[in-house]
Parts: sequence; structure tokens; C-alpha cells
Amino acid sequence: GDSVTQMEGPVTLSEEAFLTINCTYTATGYPSLFWYVQYPGEGLQLLLKATKADDKGSNKGFEATYRKETTSFHLEKGSVQVSDSAVYFCALYDSRQLTFGSGTQLTVLP
Amino acid sequence: GAGVSQSPSNKVTEKGKDVELRCDPISGHTALYWYRQSLGQGLEFLIYFQGNSAPDKSGLPSDRFSAERTGGSVSTLTIQRTQQEDSAVYLCASSSQGNTEAFFGQGTRLTVV
Repeated sequence: GDSVTQMEGPVTLSEEAFLTINCTYTATGYPSLFWYVQYPGEGLQLLLKATKADDKGSNKGFEATYRKETTSFHLEKGSVQVSDSAVYFCALYDSRQLTFGSGTQLTVLP
Repeated sequence: GAGVSQSPSNKVTEKGKDVELRCDPISGHTALYWYRQSLGQGLEFLIYFQGNSAPDKSGLPSDRFSAERTGGSVSTLTIQRTQQEDSAVYLCASSSQGNTEAFFGQGTRLTVV
């Protein structure tokens, strides 16, 4: 079945550091890919998405590119802020089910 | 409503009791998901409803778990004879047909003592 594997956490960075959270997937078809974020004390919310190969999703300075050849959707941000501290989930949708990775806890220190 | 609403927000129950968790999806959304998030863990898929189709129950961990969706709207997740390992945050999400973005509720934190 479909699966999502993402980088183990927790990840701790200093403010303005570069962020990469790796995500790879296994799917039989051509899924849509997502990054969701869960800020402390809040519900999950969509951060960005890409629906086909080579698409780049972007939001709030975060970016991720749908790479079919490497089945990856790595999340990047050039300069993180303290307010980016949260848990990040990679996910895929295959027209039947939304499958999530295990989540990566990010802490950004001032 | 404006978003996905779940109730109660917190539930403490004694081991062996039954509990019901409620989810009100965004009006007009045909797809509804239930997930479980245990402490420090990712999201575990439980069940998926899409319109009038038979639900995908493949993620339900045991026959103590069941869910229904009445009138294609409100959904109830029932856990019978609760166990301590059922303690977790239960999340509901909905999406509109043809739109793959899912909107999540705040979750119900269930504690079995």
C-alpha cells in the first residue's frame, strides 16, 4: 500500500538557519503530495501542496518540489524563524486515502 | 460551520467504558476522515467516508472501534470497552469532492484511566 517516510526528529535549529525535512513516498499511482503543519496547541493545517510531477508548492517561505524520479517531496526554508517551531507532516493523497508520515518536530531557537 | 468541529475537546473515561466522539465536517464536504495521534507519534488512519460509498474501515485497530456517518454529514466514532492504549488525540478531517485538501478539526483528547 501507499506509504510516506519522513526524516526522524526532533530537529533543532538556530534562527535564520536553512531547513530541510526529507520526505519520500511509495504509491502505485500519481498521488498529490502535501506538507501539513501543527503549531503548538493547534490543529493540523495545510502548509503547501503539489498535485503533479515537477510542481513546486510554496507558502510562508517554505517550498517543496514534487520529484517523481526520486519519489520525494522534501520541505525547505532558507531562513527559519522561532515562529516556525511546530510539527511538520508529509502526506500523500491517492484518490482514496490521505496517508501521513510520522511527523518531524522542529524547534527554532532565538 | 466555518471549520471542522469536534466534540468533546477532552474526554476522560474509565477503562471498560464506551465513548462516542463526534465530528461535524465543513458543510458540503463529501469526504470525512478519522485519524488517531498518540503521544509523540504520527497520524494513524482509522476510517474514511466518501459520499454514499461504503466506508474504508481498513485502519480500525480492533472490532471495539466503529464509526458511522449520518446523512452524509455528522460522524460519530465509537470505542467500546475502552483500554488504556486507546488514550490518544482523535482527529477528524473533511474535504470537498474533487479537492484533495483536507481540513482538520482541533481533535478530541481521550484519556482512559
